[in-house]
Amino acid sequence: GQNIDQPTEMTATEGAIVQINCTYQTSGFNGLFWYQQHAGEAPTFLSYNVLDGLEEKGRFSSFLSRSKGYSYLLLKELQMKDSASYLCAVHSGGYQKVTFGTGTKLQVIP
Amino acid sequence: GAVVSQHPSRVICKSGTSVKIECRSLDFQATTMFWYRQFPKKSLMLMATSNEGSKATYEQGVEKDKFLINHASLTLSTLTVTSAHPEDSSFYICSARDLAGRSTDTQYFGPGTRLTVL
Repeated sequence: GQNIDQPTEMTATEGAIVQINCTYQTSGFNGLFWYQQHAGEAPTFLSYNVLDGLEEKGRFSSFLSRSKGYSYLLLKELQMKDSASYLCAVHSGGYQKVTFGTGTKLQVIP
Repeated sequence: GAVVSQHPSRVICKSGTSVKIECRSLDFQATTMFWYRQFPKKSLMLMATSNEGSKATYEQGVEKDKFLINHASLTLSTLTVTSAHPEDSSFYICSARDLAGRSTDTQYFGPGTRLTVL
């Protein structure tokens, strides 16, 4: 089976930096996704990491360590609109099966 | 990016009735579509993988006779909730993989369908 852990909630200040961690245990690991989901809406794709290391996309960066089963999403220059749930999801096996973690609800405060 | 639509966006039905939800890839072909369910304040749970022209693959604990999936074309998959009960009330989301995509991040989500069973 798969086990994906991430903090339930986090609070950060507008303009600051926040790091959301995700640890996982799985077999047949292919890669790791990060999605953003606003309340009542479908998830939107943020990043997909296959290799170890940090990938940067504007204000968002994602890091992966395959040997440690660990990833994090780094959000810089936080904006109020970044308040959302951030879902860590593991891609494993065939047919692109993706298993989601429970999500981290981020609240950005002024 | 590619667009996936779902219809209806919201549906309210009486207990015991069946509800059909459609998932369409609008500008790309999808051999594989995925159906997820999300309860309030919970993450997405994969229900089944829908493969065009063949039977769907259901996750453990998901009743295939209750959640009927049909993927008759490369752009359409349907999920039918049969004999719906209040505990089936949830947010149902589909995603589709772009047939032409070479990178795995070409999995696009529909906007979701909110089902409420009275």
